[in-house]
Amino acid sequence: GAGVSQTPSNKVTEKGKYVELRCDPISGHTALYWYRQSLGQGPEFLIYFQGTGAADDSGLPNDRFFAVRPEGSVSTLKIQRTERGDSAVYLCASSFAGWNNEQFFGPGTRLTVL
Amino acid sequence: KQEVTQIPAALSVPEGENLVLNCSFTDSAIYNLQWFRQDPGKGLTSLLLIQSSQREQTSGRLNASLDKSSGRSTLYIAASQPGDSATYLCALQGGSEKLVFGKGTKLTVNP
Repeated sequence: GAGVSQTPSNKVTEKGKYVELRCDPISGHTALYWYRQSLGQGPEFLIYFQGTGAADDSGLPNDRFFAVRPEGSVSTLKIQRTERGDSAVYLCASSFAGWNNEQFFGPGTRLTVL
Repeated sequence: KQEVTQIPAALSVPEGENLVLNCSFTDSAIYNLQWFRQDPGKGLTSLLLIQSSQREQTSGRLNASLDKSSGRSTLYIAASQPGDSATYLCALQGGSEKLVFGKGTKLTVNP
């Protein structure tokens, strides 16, 4: 079946604008994760959903970042009042529920804040 | 707090060479360890997953080992090919479902 998909692949915005990044997980995966990867670094965890609820949002850097998954499938990461420091690749992953399940990643969205 | 270190940061080898990539971690209370490959401008491709109860996993020319007591994992690549050139990342799942990543090793295999 299809893998994890993310849209858009690239997003350029101006400082202060609002952006939405979308993730479509693998069908049947109830767990969904958002990570952020800066240049030369490994991905860093942002938020984890189990079904519709955010089970762990400890990685969100501040209250400008918010994510939803209203129907337990597609998720949207929302960033308000973007700053230049938000520029990074935003990666989404999905897996089956529970421990010890392999996470499968999407291609990412490259966000550039001018 | 779990910290993951990958050494070296970059590695260049001639085609055909066998090589080892290293990953070390500070907290041995892990559930699993995953090795990923990342091509430039792309997402992550999962290569191998080692459960905490396992010591190694193999897939084709790749073999990953896990030694929790010493806080180490290695990824062995046999008979390297130019197509293996990429950044290799290790990631741990410990006290929560999130993965904690190292910074990666950038591998270049020269024809």
